[in-house]
Amino acid sequence: GENVEQHPSTLSVQEGDSAVIKCTYSDSASNYFPWYKQELGKGPQLIIDIRSNVGEKKDQRIAVTLNKTAKHFSLHITETQPEDSAVYFCAAMPGGSYIPTFGRGTSLIVHP
Amino acid sequence: KAGVTQTPRYLIKTRGQQVTLSCSPISGHRSVSWYQQTPGQGLQFLFEYFSETQRNKGNFPGRFSGRQFSNSRSEMNVSTLELGDSALYLCASSPGADEQYFGPGTRLTVT
Repeated sequence: GENVEQHPSTLSVQEGDSAVIKCTYSDSASNYFPWYKQELGKGPQLIIDIRSNVGEKKDQRIAVTLNKTAKHFSLHITETQPEDSAVYFCAAMPGGSYIPTFGRGTSLIVHP
Repeated sequence: KAGVTQTPRYLIKTRGQQVTLSCSPISGHRSVSWYQQTPGQGLQFLFEYFSETQRNKGNFPGRFSGRQFSNSRSEMNVSTLELGDSALYLCASSPGADEQYFGPGTRLTVT
């Protein structure tokens, strides 16, 4: 089955800095890669996703890149703000399976 | 549109009891998935229902079961509760494709 590795497990940055979270996957059949943000006491919120026919996708301060050959994808957050502090999860999903495999999460701490 | 709702939000049960959790998906979404989230194992897939049929199932024992009603609302049941079942149970709805939208979860504590 699919295996998703996520790094780092904890990331501490100063407000205004950039943050990068990286994930690797093992199943070449995976073609959908969502990213979720989970704040304390809440469920994961879908913040951005990318499909395997696209190399990069941006939405304001966040962007995701995908390298299918190397089987890795990354989340980039620019101009971080304290409200970006949360746990971020990556996931990989093979086409048509409806079963995502999640990474173990990255706790992002943005210091004011 | 209203988001995914889950009830109850918190639950305390004793070992050996059973529990039923409820999920109401986003209006128009026909797929409902359930996940277990624990600090040790992370987010693990339980099962997925589409149009009242279980379409996919994760690697959990038969004590974990679910169902979906004609209005797409879903329930999951855990019988003979064990201490290790303590977790945040998350429901996610999807319009039928790959995008999933999570509810706030039900925090289950087994004592």
